[in-house]
Amino acid sequence: KQEVTQIPAALSVPEGENLVLNCSFTDSAIYNLQWFRQDPGKGLTSLLLIQSSQREQTSGRLNASLDKSSGRSTLYIAASQPGDSATYLCAVSPHSGGYNKLIFGAGTRLAVHP
Amino acid sequence: KAGVTQTPRYLIKTRGQQVTLSCSPISGHRSVSWYQQTPGQGLQFLFEYFSETQRNKGNFPGRFSGRQFSNSRSEMNVSTLELGDSALYLCASSLAEGGYGYTFGSGTRLTVV
Repeated sequence: KQEVTQIPAALSVPEGENLVLNCSFTDSAIYNLQWFRQDPGKGLTSLLLIQSSQREQTSGRLNASLDKSSGRSTLYIAASQPGDSATYLCAVSPHSGGYNKLIFGAGTRLAVHP
Repeated sequence: KAGVTQTPRYLIKTRGQQVTLSCSPISGHRSVSWYQQTPGQGLQFLFEYFSETQRNKGNFPGRFSGRQFSNSRSEMNVSTLELGDSALYLCASSLAEGGYGYTFGSGTRLTVV
């Protein structure tokens, strides 16, 4: 059974720091891994999608890597800003378990203070 | 292009009632999935529809059901509401299956009193 774990559960940092959020999954048979951002009480905003054949994806100050063999992904946020404060979720799309089913981690709650 | 639209945004219902939530996917997306998000359980998969057929279902009781119409719009129904059904219900659409990403709507916040 696929399980996704995110570390740390919460993070509070001063503005300007570079951050690394970690995600691990137990079964490497995945189509892709996706990082989302969620603001309180809101829906999910897709940040980066990494296909299983890819090693990393970049968008602006965000960079996500994928090591499928070790079951790990990291989200790197450069020069953090208060506007980055949110919960960050990673999710995998597994081969097994049926169609179009995402398995989510519990998230990392990030607070960036001025 | 328009994103995933969920209606209503907020809903308050009484125990024992039933509720229907609606989701309109991105134009051209044929797959619609539903998720329940609670503080205790996080995000959990409810079911997925593709071309009007339910292809996958999560571990939820039969009170939770859904359907998809020919225009790919989907509805989710919860009957005999319980207090524990209070949650944020999120809908996601995808182009097809497997290697495509997902776009989520803003969700429907259901409160059962």
